[in-house]
Amino acid sequence: AQSVTQPDIHITVSEGASLELRCNYSYGATPYLFWYVQSPGQGLQLLLKYFSGDTLVQGIKGFEAEFKRSQSSFNLRKPSVHWSDAAEYFCAVGSYGQNFVFGPGTRLSVLP
Amino acid sequence: DGGITQSPKYLFRKEGQNVTLSCEQNLNHDAMYWYRQDPGQGLRLIYYSQIVNDFQKGDIAEGYSVSREKKESFPLTVTSAQKNPTAFYLCASTPGGGNTIYFGEGSWLTVV
Repeated sequence: AQSVTQPDIHITVSEGASLELRCNYSYGATPYLFWYVQSPGQGLQLLLKYFSGDTLVQGIKGFEAEFKRSQSSFNLRKPSVHWSDAAEYFCAVGSYGQNFVFGPGTRLSVLP
Repeated sequence: DGGITQSPKYLFRKEGQNVTLSCEQNLNHDAMYWYRQDPGQGLRLIYYSQIVNDFQKGDIAEGYSVSREKKESFPLTVTSAQKNPTAFYLCASTPGGGNTIYFGEGSWLTVV
């Protein structure tokens, strides 16, 4: 069965600290991988996506993610977190002709 | 600007009433989706449509109905059969083929 896990329900970091949000997936086909961010009461905004090629992808707002096929992971990173990064982050997988599968989300809190 | 428009943003429903949430997209996307999100929870797929005049049930379709008479429109009706309809509803669309999924800003439905 297709699934996405985000092991951390809630993460708190200090402003200026580095960040890594974990995402693992189980998917039969070659997956397309995505990270989305959601502010309270808003829709989801695409941060970055991986379809093929370079396994390190750059996204908006200074985020990057690395695809590791051997670990079935697609972790999101940011070298220095800003207070405005506080939000909910969702990892998702999709494939040609298949519906998307979303992880449960990780809530990020940022301390001043 | 192209995008997905959901309306209304906030809706209150009395028990026993049907309500319809609107979703319109001008992205010329083939596929459209409805998700439900409960506080602190991930996204659950209600219905999806990959082509006009065709739609499929998602994981939690009971108590909901949809139509897809036009490519750009995918309204969701929350019927009185839905026992716990209070939630945040997200409409989304994609060009299809597992490509990136884009979201509207969401609609809050509260049963009073």
